[in-house]
Amino acid sequence: AQSVTQLGSHVSVSEGALVLLRCNYSSSVPPYLFWYVQYPNQGLQLLLKYTTGATLVKGINGFEAEFKKSETSFHLTKPSAHMSDAAEYFCAVTLSGSARQLTFGSGTQLTVLP
Amino acid sequence: KAGVTQTPRYLIKTRGQQVTLSCSPISGHRSVSWYQQTPGQGLQFLFEYFSETQRNKGNFPGRFSGRQFSNSRSEMNVSTLELGDSALYLCASSVAPTETQYFGPGTRLLVL
Repeated sequence: AQSVTQLGSHVSVSEGALVLLRCNYSSSVPPYLFWYVQYPNQGLQLLLKYTTGATLVKGINGFEAEFKKSETSFHLTKPSAHMSDAAEYFCAVTLSGSARQLTFGSGTQLTVLP
Repeated sequence: KAGVTQTPRYLIKTRGQQVTLSCSPISGHRSVSWYQQTPGQGLQFLFEYFSETQRNKGNFPGRFSGRQFSNSRSEMNVSTLELGDSALYLCASSVAPTETQYFGPGTRLLVL
C-alpha cells in the first residue's frame, strides 16, 4: 500500500519569495509521483510528475520537484511566488504501472501575501 | 483537444434519493476514474473503468456504482443518498502508456 504526507496544511509566503511545499510518500514499490493544483471551484490541474529517469522534474508555471528516494520525498518548489499561485496543492502517489489509482495527500493551501 | 467534461456541475438532492453523474473523457482516453473530495476525508478514489469494465475499486459502500459506455463516457450512481455524500465528485481520464490522469471540473453534490 502507498500513502502520502503533506507537511503543513497552510503555507504563507510573500510575493517574490521561495515557495516550498513538502511531500513525503510511502510505497512498497517504485512509485509514480504527482503534484496537482486546485483553484477555487475547479478540478485538479497537473503541475508535474515523476515516473522514471531524471529525478528533478520541471512543470508548468515555473514549478519543479525533486524525487529523493533516500528521503522518500518529493517536495515542490518555485523560486519566486506570484499572487496567481494562491491555490491548494496536492501531492499524489501511485504504484508504477498502475497510475490510474491515485492516493492523495491532504493538501496544502498556499497563500501569497502582497 | 477538449478536456474532461462533467455534468451537471451542481446538484442538490435530499436524503434517500439517488443521483447519476456523467463524465466525458478526453478524446482517445479509454480509462475513466472517479474520486470523491470532502473537507473531512480529502480526495478518495472511488473506482476506475476501462473498456466498459471496472478495473479498480476503492473502499466505498455498494451504494456507489458506476459504468462505462462503448464511447468511453462514464456515469456514476449513488443510491439512497446520505448527508455525508455531499462532496465534489471528480472524474479523470487517462491513456496508455503514461496513464497520467487529467481531471474534469467536478460535480458538486449537496444532500439536504
